[in-house]
Amino acid sequence: NAGVTQTPKFQVLKTGQSMTLQCAQDMNHEYMSWYRQDPGMGLRLIHYSVGAGITDQGEVPNGYNVSRSTTEDFPLRLLSAAPSQTSVYFCASSPGGSYTEAFFGQGTRLTVV
Amino acid sequence: GENVEQHPSTLSVQEGDSAVIKCTYSDSASNYFPWYKQELGKRPQLIIDIRSNVGEKKDQRIAVTLNKTAKHFSLHITETQPEDSAVYFCAASSSTGNQFYFGTGTSLTVIP
Repeated sequence: NAGVTQTPKFQVLKTGQSMTLQCAQDMNHEYMSWYRQDPGMGLRLIHYSVGAGITDQGEVPNGYNVSRSTTEDFPLRLLSAAPSQTSVYFCASSPGGSYTEAFFGQGTRLTVV
Repeated sequence: GENVEQHPSTLSVQEGDSAVIKCTYSDSASNYFPWYKQELGKRPQLIIDIRSNVGEKKDQRIAVTLNKTAKHFSLHITETQPEDSAVYFCAASSSTGNQFYFGTGTSLTVIP
């Protein structure tokens, strides 16, 4: 049981480049979400999904796109990377409903130069 | 939306002493409050949680208290050990359970 798997673990981009951060879970969880972690700012919600085909914006969605074509996968796309997007990104999944734990992936450290 | 505030941002204690981290939330509809521990370079992992219909919960050296009226909840770690050194995050979950709002984190250092 792999849980939540993110790839890549590290990435360096040039300003203006695009890329996709991959996230997959094998726990059949309905809910998936993306967070960014910056020093002194905790974990901030970027986008989330309550099921295949359904996505919604979180606190800091600008500059990011998501899609949820399957229950297992929830990729995060940066269309035109900016230095302000330098951060550690975490994907998380949960079964959904009240009182359910969020399980995190191992994180992707992204640097935009 | 929900706003979660967490204090202090850093905390140093001597091994064996207690540590307390406090959080407040703004949305009275939030009903689930987990605490996550993040070791350096690792992913956040759940250490304890509390539901809105419970005032206190304990798990060995860790306890969490919740005051719904005042909208604040706290993490208590007793008999701290060096392996407790990490960043701790509090969170509040919406009533639908599909969004978690995190505090800004507390970096705890336990001095041997």
